[in-house]
Amino acid sequence: DQQVKQNSPSLSVQEGRISILNCDYTNSMFDYFLWYKKYPAEGPTFLISISSIKDKNEDGRFTVFLNKSAKHLSLHIVPSQPGDSAVYFCAASHGSGNTGKLIFGQGTTLQVKP
Amino acid sequence: DTGVSQDPRHKITKRGQNVTFRCDPISEHNRLYWYRQTLGQGPEFLTYFQNEAQLEKSRLLSDRFSAERPKGSFSTLEIQRTEQGDSAMYLCASRTTAFNYGYTFGSGTRLTVV
Repeated sequence: DQQVKQNSPSLSVQEGRISILNCDYTNSMFDYFLWYKKYPAEGPTFLISISSIKDKNEDGRFTVFLNKSAKHLSLHIVPSQPGDSAVYFCAASHGSGNTGKLIFGQGTTLQVKP
Repeated sequence: DTGVSQDPRHKITKRGQNVTFRCDPISEHNRLYWYRQTLGQGPEFLTYFQNEAQLEKSRLLSDRFSAERPKGSFSTLEIQRTEQGDSAMYLCASRTTAFNYGYTFGSGTRLTVV
């Protein structure tokens, strides 16, 4: 069962515009969500996170929004830059203080065109 | 400290052979994780250690897989009698028990079983 889903395998945007990456989850016990970015031949790199007690977290050009009632989160990148082109994974965890095991989505490949 | 190191980066092996991968985490990180990623999918949890104790194993980790973390430092993941279905990227990650900042992943070991 896919508890974390990224239904868009790919997204293409123009440089300077907004990129919106979406993620849905099914497990209401998830209480922490993270976004990772992955370049080819490298491991995933942590980008931004959000606790389930919040609905928004912002870090520079990156903002994550959480809608718990819809079990949906999104990552906004504004403005998008060509260097943002990568695979983006959302991940979720449940039970603070527990294993820290993360459940990942399938990933969305973002292409930012100059 | 330059991050999480994994060795080798690539491994090609014949079906039925045993392989062993090594992970050197960030020195002050007491938690170490192994994940597996196949093409088009996100990383899937395999197992994790807190210090030298292996505290959780996924159902994905069949009895052909074994992981160790002697003295709570580096970790090894061994696959015995490899099968073609074992072909994947094996990712190691580490973190402290403070959860706010996500894992630090290594660049992974790409295993190809022929």
